[in-house]
Amino acid sequence: AQSVAQPEDQVNVAEGNPLTVKCTYSVSGNPYLFWYVQYPNRGLQFLLKYITGDNLVKGSYGFEAEFNKSQTSFHLKKPSALVSDSALYFCAVRDIGRNNDMRFGAGTRLTVKP
Amino acid sequence: DGGITQSPKYLFRKEGQNVTLSCEQNLNHDAMYWYRQDPGQGLRLIYYSQIVNDFQKGDIAEGYSVSREKKESFPLTVTSAQKNPTAFYLCASSMSGLPTDTQYFGPGTRLTVL
Repeated sequence: AQSVAQPEDQVNVAEGNPLTVKCTYSVSGNPYLFWYVQYPNRGLQFLLKYITGDNLVKGSYGFEAEFNKSQTSFHLKKPSALVSDSALYFCAVRDIGRNNDMRFGAGTRLTVKP
Repeated sequence: DGGITQSPKYLFRKEGQNVTLSCEQNLNHDAMYWYRQDPGQGLRLIYYSQIVNDFQKGDIAEGYSVSREKKESFPLTVTSAQKNPTAFYLCASSMSGLPTDTQYFGPGTRLTVL
């Protein structure tokens, strides 16, 4: 069965510092990995995805993520955090054998302090 | 959120009532999904549909029903059989049902049982 874990419920960083939101996954085949962001009482906004190819994926709003097959991780990163980045972040995984089953992590709340 | 609308934004239900949540998309996507979001649990799949007049149960379909009579519409009915319906409900769509496709989300409906 496929699953994804976000080991940190909360991440706090100072504005201007780099940020990392962690995600690890478990799938039986090749993983397809996604990051979404959610602002209060809103739907999820797509940030980026890894399907194949370059392990470093660049996405919206200056975010990027690095796929690490040996560590089964897909951490979200940004070189310089903004206060406006404060939100709930979700990692999700899909398995090639399960077309319609996207598994989400429990979410990580990022707070960027001025 | 662009391209996917959900209504109403807030919905209050009395015990024993059925309520229907609306989801409409103008993205010409074939696949549509319904998720439930509870605090600290991420998103869980209720139902999905890859094509008109066809839909499949997700992990937590009990107490819910759907229809897919038109490509652009995928309404969700929360029946009185759903024991704990208070949650945030998110509709999503993707171009097809392929696991590489990005799912795009609507703004959500917050359902509260009185």
